[in-house]
Amino acid sequence: KAGVTQTPRYLIKTRGQQVTLSCSPISGHRSVSWYQQTPGQGLQFLFEYFSETQRNKGNFPGRFSGRQFSNSRSEMNVSTLELGDSALYLCASSWTGDEQYFGPGTRLTVT
Amino acid sequence: GDSVTQMEGPVTLSEEAFLTINCTYTATGYPSLFWYVQYPGEGLQLLLKATKADDKGSNKGFEATYRKETTSFHLEKGSVQVSDSAVYFCAPRAYLPPTLNYGGSQGNLIFGKGTKLSVKP
Repeated sequence: KAGVTQTPRYLIKTRGQQVTLSCSPISGHRSVSWYQQTPGQGLQFLFEYFSETQRNKGNFPGRFSGRQFSNSRSEMNVSTLELGDSALYLCASSWTGDEQYFGPGTRLTVT
Repeated sequence: GDSVTQMEGPVTLSEEAFLTINCTYTATGYPSLFWYVQYPGEGLQLLLKATKADDKGSNKGFEATYRKETTSFHLEKGSVQVSDSAVYFCAPRAYLPPTLNYGGSQGNLIFGKGTKLSVKP
């Protein structure tokens, strides 16, 4: 069974731009969660989608948003990028939300 | 709020040494507990889990026991290998209160800062 895939793997953007990251969960998984990993703050939860609905949300500004499609694929969008948004963005999928399986991540660099 | 405390790294061991990485947590109720491992340049891999008190999770020679009385989930391995060099994360699940659409369930993972392990040959 194919694992969680994330695209693109690497991205370089300029301050003020916006970016969209994509995540394809393991086949049959309905829950997709997003996490941000930085050296300073570690791993922080952004949001979770389940059956196309946001079920849970972390403490991030409204510039961070997401959605989930009917095939469970999910996208995360960050608008008006700031230097501090440079991070590894990890997507995780699960059947109902228990064991989460992570993708390789998207490394975003904001200059 | 919910939180996790892991022993500070880096931890440097010789091959075949015994490993313990301490983890204690505060969380609502009795969450499932997980250990994840991150190899350089990669995402997180689920290493093991335990879902209730006194459960022992195990995988690839690693073990951890869910200790409700001490709210701990320490990771151990009897004989480490160079290939075990990685960053290890302890992570309980946050409690997600029931809503109109969903029953009460476990929410997001709460990660510790991670413990970097280096194993020398």
